[in-house]
Order: sequence, then structure tokens, then C-alpha cells
Amino acid sequence: DSGVTQTPKHLITATGQRVTLRCSPRSGDLSVYWYQQSLDQGLQFLIQYYNGEERAKGNILERFSAQQFPDLHSELNLSSLELGDSALYFCASSVSPARAVDTQYFGPGTRLTVL
Amino acid sequence: GEDVEQSLFLSVREGDSSVINCTYTDSSSTYLYWYKQEPGAGLQLLTYIFSNMDMKQDQRLTVLLNKKDKHLSLRIADTQTGDSAIYFCAEKGGSSARQLTFGSGTQLTVLP
Repeated sequence: DSGVTQTPKHLITATGQRVTLRCSPRSGDLSVYWYQQSLDQGLQFLIQYYNGEERAKGNILERFSAQQFPDLHSELNLSSLELGDSALYFCASSVSPARAVDTQYFGPGTRLTVL
Repeated sequence: GEDVEQSLFLSVREGDSSVINCTYTDSSSTYLYWYKQEPGAGLQLLTYIFSNMDMKQDQRLTVLLNKKDKHLSLRIADTQTGDSAIYFCAEKGGSSARQLTFGSGTQLTVLP
């Protein structure tokens, strides 16, 4: 158990809908990362937050957004869902990207299925 | 941009050593990681190596880094059936954001 929690574990929804994925980082970690794992694209970095502020953006679609709240939990919002958005979404947390060794610990993931 | 490549499949016999290879392109990589993913599970950190090291050993795991060739390998000694999983190599670049760039993963199958 990495200490990172993600809810829900599974999500099944229809095209055009909007969903919210939730992540709670390990105790003491200030940085949260979101990754998408799909069969065709592999593991791709989406977005990073540090202490409530957006730090970096990767291959995140404009239909997707995220935020990190004062209690440091994070939510990833996916809207106007398409079939191709079906994937495993992982959250990872780390203490601080400023540290030399800033290991990321991954949550168990949320499996999103868009029908 | 950064790119990390791995072979897709590896099969070994139980008790043998497994060697999983990875190449990367970002010369500013600071740390390189190996993660393990079992079916239906998240990514479990196995080990990491700093870019100025050549080797790191941790129980049955040995990581070798050839920085000149940008080649990383993970050796698992005395491979067991419980080691069957997908192994991901990842590199952390020199940018301030520190996100990881992952390889495609190597599916390790351990045969009895």
C-alpha cells in the first residue's frame, strides 16, 4: 500500500458525460501528479500540482481539468467524454519536486470505461 | 522531447535471472526508476538510481546504468512466479516540474 488513495476504483459512463476522479496523497506529500494509462498511448503524464498550484502540464486535453484543494487532495475532471478516454487514471504524490530525490508513489488507479 | 524505450515481452524460467532493458534519450535525466505493475494494480516503486551512479543493488534487484549509451537495465536474480508483472522504466528529466516519462513497459512472464 503506497498510501495514495484514489476513488472510485471503477467508473462506467456514457459518451458526452462528465466525471470526477479523486486522489488523496500520502501524508506529508505536497505534490500530486495525474497520469493516464491506455493501451495505445501507454503511461502519459497529464498534469502536476504542488501545494495547490498548477506546476506542469503534459498531454492533457482541454476537456480535462484538475485542481488541488487546501487539504491537498486533488480532483481530475473529465468532460464531454469520448470512447477514447477509456483508460486507467493514476494519481501519484511526492513530497516536493524541489527535492533532489523526489520519489513518486502511485495510487491504485481509477479505471474509466466510456460506453 | 524525452523518449524511453523498452522491449515489450520477456519470458524466463523460474530460478533464472531476468534482465529487462531500457533506453532513454534525455541527457539531462537526473533519476531513473523501475516500477512494477501487477494485473489490476497500481504501480509499485521497485528501485531508482541517480544518474551519476553506475550500479545499485537492492536484494534480488540490480540496476545498471550506462549514462554514455543512455541504457538502463534491471536484473532480477532467482526470478520467481510472483515476479510476473509489467515492469516500467521511467526517467525524471532536468525540468523543474519533475514529471516522469515512462517506457511502454516490459511484460515479464516467469515459467515454472
